[in-house]
Amino acid sequence: DVKVTQSSRYLVKRTGEKVFLECVQDMDHENMFWYRQDPGLGLRLIYFSYDVKMKEKGDIPEGYSVSREKKERFSLILESASTNQTSMYLCASSDRDRERWETQYFGPGTRLLVL
Amino acid sequence: GQNIDQPTEMTATEGAIVQINCTYQTSGFNGLFWYQQHAGEAPTFLSYNVLDGLEEKGRFSSFLSRSKGYSYLLLKELQMKDSASYLCAVSAWPYNAGNNRKLIWGLGTSLAVNP
Repeated sequence: DVKVTQSSRYLVKRTGEKVFLECVQDMDHENMFWYRQDPGLGLRLIYFSYDVKMKEKGDIPEGYSVSREKKERFSLILESASTNQTSMYLCASSDRDRERWETQYFGPGTRLLVL
Repeated sequence: GQNIDQPTEMTATEGAIVQINCTYQTSGFNGLFWYQQHAGEAPTFLSYNVLDGLEEKGRFSSFLSRSKGYSYLLLKELQMKDSASYLCAVSAWPYNAGNNRKLIWGLGTSLAVNP
């Protein structure tokens, strides 16, 4: 079974703090994704990575950065947290070289509250 | 543009059958996914259709008509635990070209199963 884990289920931070969200997958997947999910807005892609040290902007990258130093780990960084970044953050991974390679497997999510 | 439409909410009765529709308008098409998401949890993969027709998997079936840009998810013998949001997602050009591995996501259909 594919397993994607995220460092925290719940997180409370102050405005202006730097926030790190970690995601680890154990299936040797090439692709990893960070989404945020808000009521009425659905899943929105922040960044994705298709290989180590490679990253591509998604639909809403402003205010975020990412790091992929190892294949299994993809980090999302909020450089200076703001209240409008309060959201559910979901990490996902997929395998580029398999049939149905676009199938994404999600971690449990991190619910971030910025005060 | 790229667009996916799903009903926002549906209700059904335990033991009944419900059909959740998804229509899409995309430049190309590579496959359609259905995910289930319980409140406060991550989406989990349900099904994948790339060819026209019906794919059956236990109580759940998914249908695709590429010429009509239409899919549905059929849930039989509804159980209370089927109360969840159901997300439709499409793989389409240019989001799956080159190193891209992005999916286009619908906003989800919230299904409430009543006793």
